[in-house]
Amino acid sequence: AQKVTQAQTEISVVEKEDVTLDCVYETRDTTYYLFWYKQPPSGELVFLIRRNSFDEQNEISGRYSWNFQKSTSSFNFTITASQVVDSAVYFCALRRGGSEKLVFGKGTKLTVNP
Amino acid sequence: DVKVTQSSRYLVKRTGEKVFLECVQDMDHENMFWYRQDPGLGLRLIYFSYDVKMKEKGDIPEGYSVSREKKERFSLILESASTNQTSMYLCASSLTSTSPSYEQYFGPGTRLTVT
Repeated sequence: AQKVTQAQTEISVVEKEDVTLDCVYETRDTTYYLFWYKQPPSGELVFLIRRNSFDEQNEISGRYSWNFQKSTSSFNFTITASQVVDSAVYFCALRRGGSEKLVFGKGTKLTVNP
Repeated sequence: DVKVTQSSRYLVKRTGEKVFLECVQDMDHENMFWYRQDPGLGLRLIYFSYDVKMKEKGDIPEGYSVSREKKERFSLILESASTNQTSMYLCASSLTSTSPSYEQYFGPGTRLTVT
């Protein structure tokens, strides 16, 4: 069975702080894909990143970075120097190879205060 | 850019009414999905479609049906709306899983209230 756990339900930080959102996944498949989505208050989920199970390289995109570690089944997301516009619910998701479906974590609500 | 649109942002219906939620995507995606999102429960898959007239049940299909007569359009139908179907409904689309660029793109959501 596949499962995604986002243990942090809500996080509150002050602007310019760094924050890490945790994602732990479970799967028995050797081929799988991991995703992060952002859901701002407007409601639409926005795709941020996809990672496949054969690529453990960390990724950086501006203030965002992702750390994928197969040894701990984790795919954590760090926002550096957070801004108020980063306030949103963030979802981690998993897809097994060959499946059309995503399994989502329950999300982490991030609030960045000015 | 992929665009997924949903027919309404907010909808209020009465118990027992038949409700149609429409979703349209403009990127020729094979797959389309309907989710509902509830506080504390995250996103749950209701149905998805991998081709015209083809559908597959998700995790919570009870009380819902779907229709996909054209590739770009996927409808969610509540045959007889009930108060426990009050929720945020999200539509998504994607290329088939054999594509290296598989990810789901979401519409803005429809917040449905059943009174």
